[in-house]
Amino acid sequence: DQQVKQNSPSLSVQEGRISILNCDYTNSMFDYFLWYKKYPAEGPTFLISISSIKDKNEDGRFTVFLNKSAKHLSLHIVPSQPGDSAVYFCAASASSYNNNDMRFGAGTRLTVKP
Amino acid sequence: KAGVTQTPRYLIKTRGQQVTLSCSPISGHRSVSWYQQTPGQGLQFLFEYFSETQRNKGNFPGRFSGRQFSNSRSEMNVSTLELGDSALYLCASSLTRGQPQHFGDGTRLSIL
Repeated sequence: DQQVKQNSPSLSVQEGRISILNCDYTNSMFDYFLWYKKYPAEGPTFLISISSIKDKNEDGRFTVFLNKSAKHLSLHIVPSQPGDSAVYFCAASASSYNNNDMRFGAGTRLTVKP
Repeated sequence: KAGVTQTPRYLIKTRGQQVTLSCSPISGHRSVSWYQQTPGQGLQFLFEYFSETQRNKGNFPGRFSGRQFSNSRSEMNVSTLELGDSALYLCASSLTRGQPQHFGDGTRLSIL
């Protein structure tokens, strides 16, 4: 059951432009959302998170937006840099479940061209 | 501060065998989760351990099991290996439950 979906397997943007990665979820119990970045041959690295009490969280070049009514979140990277090229995973969990049962999307491969 | 350490990094087995993967969490982290990553499937949650107890289990057959020791180190075992078990197995730890997780670099398991 794919409760978290990343419908774009890949995205290519020019250096300096904005990268927008999208994620949709189906479980209305999810109230904590995270983005992870993964380089080849390495484990995912936590990037940024947002709880459902907010609709935006910003950390430097990275901003996550949450639209609860649409069950949709997005990650914006501005400006994009070649070093941002990686696979990005969206993840969600329900605090009421009080566990680490995080559901991950299939990932979006971002390529930032110089 | 050392990160999450998984051993071995690569493993080749044949069908029917069993395998044990090891994970050492970040010092002080008490929650350890295991994930399976296959192409196109993202990360599939296997199970979570906290204080030596399995707290939650994903939708995997009973051939997949695990345990956690008093020092928070964890092992994952897969018995009667099948070709479809070929995947990257990732371990992640967090200070407490529900916190952002820190991942190891994974063990790539190949079944011949």
